[in-house]
Amino acid sequence: GAVVSQHPSRVICKSGTSVKIECRSLDFQATTMFWYRQFPKKSLMLMATSNEGSKATYEQGVEKDKFLINHASLTLSTLTVTSAHPEDSSFYICSARGQRDEAFFGQGTRLTVV
Amino acid sequence: DAKTTQPPSMDCAEGRAANLPCNHSTISGNEYVYWYRQIHSQGPQYIIHGLKNNETNEMASLIITEDRKSSTLILPHATLRDTAVYYCIVRGGLGYSTLTFGKGTMLLVSP
Repeated sequence: GAVVSQHPSRVICKSGTSVKIECRSLDFQATTMFWYRQFPKKSLMLMATSNEGSKATYEQGVEKDKFLINHASLTLSTLTVTSAHPEDSSFYICSARGQRDEAFFGQGTRLTVV
Repeated sequence: DAKTTQPPSMDCAEGRAANLPCNHSTISGNEYVYWYRQIHSQGPQYIIHGLKNNETNEMASLIITEDRKSSTLILPHATLRDTAVYYCIVRGGLGYSTLTFGKGTMLLVSP
């Protein structure tokens, strides 16, 4: 099946700094990618939908200025957590939409803000 | 998208079949039933999906009732590596729709 690569898999950053997470579709072009967040023992929550070449669509309650999403090419979307705080510590997961509307997920990024 | 109801947890002995139920009584005619699973600290993995006919692939079988109000995911010979949270998701037809994850079923496969 199609592969979505997410990098880094783990990151620890200091409070107040910014962290960028990359999501790449390795063997297909994805015009649409999705970013999810998952707290411990909770389900995935959709944060935003990223469309190549246009602004991301954010879910209600997600701060667009804090979670910057860029989808500059058909194979890469990035999520930047700006001015990170400990409450931003979470598991972030991206997915890419395939040509037949399938959803392929990345491995996830464990963010810890200290 | 229609809401789904799954048991929070299930146990299965290694080598036995694991049957995971899902209720989706409000499913509409053009909505598909998707199954994903998430092994601890990994991204979700697609398993199978169907509209109204039963489906089978190398991972599992999907049995959808005739009225489409419920379905069962069957792992024919569960292994320890099948321990994961299994999500049943009802999703709109082809075009564009997001995946809305519920709480899923935590399947524990034991030796």
